Amino acid sequence: GENVEQHPSTLSVQEGDSAVIKCTYSDSASNYFPWYKQELGKRPQLIIDIRSNVGEKKDQRIAVTLNKTAKHFSLHITETQPEDSAVYFCAASHNFNKFYFGSGTKLNVKP
Amino acid sequence: GAGVSQSPSNKVTEKGKDVELRCDPISGHTALYWYRQRLGQGLEFLIYFQGNSAPDKSGLPSDRFSAERTGESVSTLTIQRTQQEDSAVYLCASGRGQEQYFGPGTRLTVT
Repeated sequence: GENVEQHPSTLSVQEGDSAVIKCTYSDSASNYFPWYKQELGKRPQLIIDIRSNVGEKKDQRIAVTLNKTAKHFSLHITETQPEDSAVYFCAASHNFNKFYFGSGTKLNVKP
Repeated sequence: GAGVSQSPSNKVTEKGKDVELRCDPISGHTALYWYRQRLGQGLEFLIYFQGNSAPDKSGLPSDRFSAERTGESVSTLTIQRTQQEDSAVYLCASGRGQEQYFGPGTRLTVT
């Protein structure tokens, strides 16, 4: 089955700096890669996603890149703000059948 | 419209008792997923329903776990003879051929 690894497990940045979280996956059949933000005690919320026919996608301060050959994808957050502090999860899926999640990255943005 | 709902929000049970967790998906969503999230950890896939197809139960950790779904409506996750290691937040998500939307979860504590 699919194996998704996520790094780093914790990330601390200064407000205004950029943050990058990286994930790798093992199953070349995976074709959908979402990123979720989970605040303490809350449900995961989709923040951005990418499909395998696209190499990069951007939504304001958030971007995701995908390298299918290397089987890795990354989340980039620019101009970080304290409200970006949360746990971020990557996931991989083949045709939305099952989703395999990374172990999470706790992002702390220091004001 | 209404999002995914789960009940109960919290459940405390004694070791050895059975528990039943409920998920009400978004109307019209054919896919339904159950996940387990232990404290400070990522989401662990349990089971996936898609329409009237046979469910994918490959993530269920033992035969004490089972889940049912009637058509495209409510789903119940049952844990028999609960153990302390079953303590976790159980998250349900629904979708319609694309991204999944999460419910608020049920926090299960086995004493």
